[in-house]
Amino acid sequence: DQQVKQNSPSLSVQEGRISILNCDYTNSMFDYFLWYKKYPAEGPTFLISISSIKDKNEDGRFTVFLNKSAKHLSLHIVPSQPGDSAVYFCAASLIQGAQKLVFGQGTRLTINP
Amino acid sequence: EAQVTQNPRYLITVTGKKLTVTCSQNMNHEYMSWYRQDPGLGLRQIYYSMNVEVTDKGDVPEGYKVSRKEKRNFPLILESPSPNQTSLYFCASSFRGKGYTFGSGTRLTVV
Repeated sequence: DQQVKQNSPSLSVQEGRISILNCDYTNSMFDYFLWYKKYPAEGPTFLISISSIKDKNEDGRFTVFLNKSAKHLSLHIVPSQPGDSAVYFCAASLIQGAQKLVFGQGTRLTINP
Repeated sequence: EAQVTQNPRYLITVTGKKLTVTCSQNMNHEYMSWYRQDPGLGLRQIYYSMNVEVTDKGDVPEGYKVSRKEKRNFPLILESPSPNQTSLYFCASSFRGKGYTFGSGTRLTVV
């Protein structure tokens, strides 16, 4: 039972354009959501997070949107840069600071010059 | 440099031969966790620890053991590895869940 789903295994975007990565979840008790970025041969690195009391959080080129009624979150990257090419994982937890993070399957983003 | 260090990076072993993957963090984090990454399944939590001598099962604990005798170390033990434990393993630590810091991974192959 996949509680956090990333339905697009891959996404290709032109450099300078917007990248939109999507994530759906089934457990309405999830209260905190995170995005991680992973390069080959490295561990995932924390990118941005959002609490369920918010619907948007911004950090530079990265913005995460949360739609609780649709149980959907998305990560927007504007403008996309070649260094953004990586695998992106969304994750969810029941409370902020919880030990247990449930991850999606990941989306491989490729930024084309 | 703040980091989570896993060893070894690559390991090929035979079925049934006990092995340990070490994990150490230098950030004085209380929380530590082990994940495995498999194609199409993302990262799944194996075990986690909230502090010294406090450990609990994650989503896929079968076939694994952990211990947390010191704050900085959280080894993953496979008593009798099987081919279905072939995977990419990540250790992670965090300060009370405020975003995990992950190690570089251990690619394990069990033949």
